[in-house]
Amino acid sequence: AQSVSQHNHHVILSEAASLELGCNYSYGGTVNLFWYVQYPGQHLQLLLKYFSGDPLVKGIKGFEAEFIKSKFSFNLRKPSVQWSDTAEYFCAVNALIGNAGKSTFGDGTTLTVKP
Amino acid sequence: DAGVTQSPTHLIKTRGQQVTLRCSPKSGHDTVSWYQQALGQGPQFIFQYYEEEERQRGNFPDRFSGHQFPNYSSELNVNALLLGDSALYLCASSSGVGADTQYFGPGTRLTVL
Repeated sequence: AQSVSQHNHHVILSEAASLELGCNYSYGGTVNLFWYVQYPGQHLQLLLKYFSGDPLVKGIKGFEAEFIKSKFSFNLRKPSVQWSDTAEYFCAVNALIGNAGKSTFGDGTTLTVKP
Repeated sequence: DAGVTQSPTHLIKTRGQQVTLRCSPKSGHDTVSWYQQALGQGPQFIFQYYEEEERQRGNFPDRFSGHQFPNYSSELNVNALLLGDSALYLCASSSGVGADTQYFGPGTRLTVL
C-alpha cells in the first residue's frame, strides 16, 4: 500500500526566509509526484509535479521540488517566502495500480509567513 | 473554460440518512475521482470513475458508492450516514485512467448531526 509522510505539521517563517517542506513516500513501483497548495478560502491547486526526467522540477510562484529516488523523497523548496505563501501544502503520490491511478496524500503542512 | 464544479456547497444531514453529492469535471476530462478530507488531514481517496465504471477504490465501506454519467459528470452517494462521515468531499478530474494530473473542485462540506 502507498503512504505519504509530511514531516512538518506547522511551519512558521518570516518573509524572505527560505523554505523546505519534507515529503517521503512508500511504494515499490513507479509513481507520479505532486505538490498541491490550498490558500485560505480556496480549493486545492497544483503547485508542481514530477513524472520523469530531470528530478528537479519548477512550479508556479518560484517553488521547486527535488525527487530523490533512493530516499523516496520529494521535498518542496522556495528560496524566499512571501506573506502570500501562507497556505496549506499537500504532497501526493499517484501510482498506476492495475489499470487505474490511485492517489495518496500526506496530511499537509500549514505554512504561516509573518510579514 | 469551466473548472471542476461541485454541488451543493454545504449540506447538513442526520445520522442514518442518505446523501448524494454531484461533480462536473473540467472540460476535456473524462475521469473523476472522489476524496474525503477530514479536518486536519489530507484528502483520502474514495474511488475513481472512468468510462462509467469504478476503476479503483480506496479503503471505504460499501456505504460509499458512485456513478458516472455519459457526459462524464459523477455522483457520490453515502448511505446510513454516521457522525464520522462529516468532512469535506472533494471531486477531482483528470484525463484518462492513468496517474495523470488531477484538478480539484471546491468541495462539498457535509455535516452529519
